[in-house]
Amino acid sequence: DAMVIQNPRYQVTQFGKPVTLSCSQTLNHNVMYWYQQKSSQAPKLLFHYYDKDFNNEADTPDNFQSRRPNTSFCFLDIRSPGLGDAAMYLCATSRESRGGVWTEAFFGQGTRLTVV
Amino acid sequence: DQQVKQNSPSLSVQEGRISILNCDYTNSMFDYFLWYKKYPAEGPTFLISISSIKDKNEDGRFTVFLNKSAKHLSLHIVPSQPGDSAVYFCAAKDNYGQNFVFGPGTRLSVLP
Repeated sequence: DAMVIQNPRYQVTQFGKPVTLSCSQTLNHNVMYWYQQKSSQAPKLLFHYYDKDFNNEADTPDNFQSRRPNTSFCFLDIRSPGLGDAAMYLCATSRESRGGVWTEAFFGQGTRLTVV
Repeated sequence: DQQVKQNSPSLSVQEGRISILNCDYTNSMFDYFLWYKKYPAEGPTFLISISSIKDKNEDGRFTVFLNKSAKHLSLHIVPSQPGDSAVYFCAAKDNYGQNFVFGPGTRLSVLP
């Protein structure tokens, strides 16, 4: 089945140790998003790629970076994780058709990041 | 500043009755609205959407109503089932943007 897959499901990292989360999709969607969700809060958009164009949210800390080497894959790099970065990280995809019609956002199962 | 608000953190409903989840938004440019359901330790799954040219969209037990003048939408689930127990997120997008903006969610508990 076409889907959005995130790896790993659970990640434990040490304070200050770089960590990379991955996302792949088989939907061939041109837009990929990274959201951060802390408990009882709305998913917060960190950044997204529209095709190869990277779009950073104004309040996303520099500690968070992303790479999209091809249509199918997108990575979230946290350069120096702090305790406050512990959260669920959600990858999502969407597609804009030529007529400007958007699909809904399709989400992966998320990666739960713990910082120790 | 929250552009999408869900003022009820939680809701409990008896099985078989109607569940009504509410959502308010502040950005008048939003023209595409969605509801997602989320179980613990999983990603959100899409339920139903509505564009601003409509005021109602129905899919099985789920109906979404949009009141543009009030900047309000609601999700009705009839009849509610225990498997509907989850967190429900309201989301919105405007035609010029590329982002989906989410509310904080409402936890629905359907009691047998």
